[in-house]
Amino acid sequence: GENVEQHPSTLSVQEGDSAVIKCTYSDSASNYFPWYKQELGKRPQLIIDIRSNVGEKKDQRIAVTLNKTAKHFSLHITETQPEDSAVYFCAAPQGYKLSFGAGTTVTVRA
Amino acid sequence: DTAVSQTPKYLVTQMGNDKSIKCEQNLGHDTMYWYKQDSKKFLKIMFSYNNKELIINETVPNRFSPKSPDKAHLNLHINSLELGDSAVYFCASSHGQGVAEEQYFGPGTRLTVT
Repeated sequence: GENVEQHPSTLSVQEGDSAVIKCTYSDSASNYFPWYKQELGKRPQLIIDIRSNVGEKKDQRIAVTLNKTAKHFSLHITETQPEDSAVYFCAAPQGYKLSFGAGTTVTVRA
Repeated sequence: DTAVSQTPKYLVTQMGNDKSIKCEQNLGHDTMYWYKQDSKKFLKIMFSYNNKELIINETVPNRFSPKSPDKAHLNLHINSLELGDSAVYFCASSHGQGVAEEQYFGPGTRLTVT
């Protein structure tokens, strides 16, 4: 969305390596930053989110970091596995709606 | 199964026709949404209802009309379908009205206009 920029648009990593996706947002009032994963032909599903009162959150192999000053947040996937192959979307509030990034297609090579 | 469900899963129709997509959630959520995902995977909000009341109405052609008969259902009716309407339409729901909550998506309806 125009409020959220996401990079890169595609990412290919070797199995076992790490993957990092970055997003920037423009609304300084934003205080909630979710990440959704969409496998091929499936629905988007929330995998992790972070609120503006913390700088980092981890859940097993995934972590999200937030820099409110710079208005950017990142998703980190460690020890990537084939099942991590999917499209990942970041999102941030834009007023009363959630604005999604354009998505990153992650391919994990065996 | 507790979930967000949509019907139909696939819809193929000709230009100019009118069609509807139905959505139901049994999660007890107060807010429901319609999103359009185009061929480039871009997810864009179209409408949102909270307890049957329209709260988000994005810049969407008037040919699209949502209807929420109760807070568990949100349907989407599309008049005079055009080629550019071809996309996957996702219904979603969330517990409260605020954006700082997880949204649960339905399986999607792939609409193809020929």
